Amino acid sequence: NSKVIQTPRYLVKGQGQKAKMRCIPEKGHPVVFWYQQNKNNEFKFLINFQNQEVLQQIDMTEKRFSAECPSNSPCSLEIQSSEAGDSALYLCASSLRQADERLFFGHGTKLSVL
Amino acid sequence: GDSVTQTEGLVTLTKGLPVMLNCTYQTTYSPFLFWYVQHLNEAPKLLLKSSTDNKRTEHQGFYATLHKSSSSFHLQKSSVQLSDSALYFCALSPGGYKVVFGSGTRLLVSP
Repeated sequence: NSKVIQTPRYLVKGQGQKAKMRCIPEKGHPVVFWYQQNKNNEFKFLINFQNQEVLQQIDMTEKRFSAECPSNSPCSLEIQSSEAGDSALYLCASSLRQADERLFFGHGTKLSVL
Repeated sequence: GDSVTQTEGLVTLTKGLPVMLNCTYQTTYSPFLFWYVQHLNEAPKLLLKSSTDNKRTEHQGFYATLHKSSSSFHLQKSSVQLSDSALYFCALSPGGYKVVFGSGTRLLVSP
């Protein structure tokens, strides 16, 4: 069973609404990734953190998303104004150290934007 | 840039037959390669991680060998089972905190 906990499992929003999802990484894992998995099952990297610091993010994330990983609280990813094209499975993964280590994934949050 | 190519989108097989899922990559670094498996409504999980060049790595009957000369890390199994039906993703870690995924191959095993 996955030890990376993502909530909620399902999220339904209207266009223009905010959509927020959370992730509790595996205990002791300082590195957290967010990926968007589309209906064709393709992974798109969104952002990653080491502890509370953003390591890398794509332009879309910087412009339209708000993300953080505060200490002693779940990480979160929030779309500021949802669009139909944001409908996807959002996967959170954590890692013990650098990316030569395996990623541990959560079950994801399935976002549907109506 | 760094990229992973999986040429087959869908592979259908009868149980008991062998399978090979292709994975090739491009990077200027000395990478680690991974295979992740995602069963229906489940989280992706690690299946295999590459070892040193030309050394085979195995887990749960699956195996793969990193060949840096051909930039490949193909996934193989000698006899597929019904429970192997899933999505399989090849992933590249060129170093640092970057992980790049291939487009995935769906394996469907029939009785």
